[in-house]
Amino acid sequence: EVQLLESGGALVQPGGSLRLSCAASGFTFSSYAMGWVRQAPGKGLEWVSAISNSGGSTYYADSVKGRFTISRDNSKTTLYLQMIGLKAEDTAVYYCAKDLGFRGTVPDFDYWGQGTLVTVSS
Amino acid sequence: QSVLTQPPSVSAAPGQKVTISCSGSSSNIGNNYVSWYQQLPGTAPKLLIYENNKRPSGIPDRFSGSKSGTSATLGITALQTGDEADYYCGTWDSSLSAGVFGGGTKLTVL
Repeated sequence: EVQLLESGGALVQPGGSLRLSCAASGFTFSSYAMGWVRQAPGKGLEWVSAISNSGGSTYYADSVKGRFTISRDNSKTTLYLQMIGLKAEDTAVYYCAKDLGFRGTVPDFDYWGQGTLVTVSS
Repeated sequence: QSVLTQPPSVSAAPGQKVTISCSGSSSNIGNNYVSWYQQLPGTAPKLLIYENNKRPSGIPDRFSGSKSGTSATLGITALQTGDEADYYCGTWDSSLSAGVFGGGTKLTVL
């Protein structure tokens, strides 16, 4: 059974940093691209970032480019999202998601985690 | 403002059919596959359709997808009250080199 378990969400002050983790199991992690999608309270889905299966290619939404870094450790089957320079508008539930393919440029997310809440507020 | 445009809401009676549109441009829908997601209240999204019209295993054939030019459509037949949810289209935008979602459509089954 595929499982994606996010962690690391917290209340952080504007300008602060946070690292989200997503522990994956139940599939061959190194064969699939992964992504992060966020949802602000009461709002729609926003694609944030994706990474290819090898980690060699990464992609970002303009709203987070230069502030967020996606990475993965295939030996630990874990996906990460390092966030710096956090803003109030980054407040959202962050979902980790598995892609159907390996490139990360489709995107077709067939499995999702339960989400972790990031709140940016003073 | 979302790159992909969806109607904010649609409604229909149980047993009826509904369609949800998703409009984009040549940099996204026009040249890339479209996927559709269902998000029930308080839960994570669920993939309904990928590569324009393919259904993952376990998704009933009441759900269908199509694409024409720079627009895509999700169809749901034999509506059930359990289909009440938010529906999102998604695709890749080649100009942005990023994924994009529509703003979402709330389906009400009257």
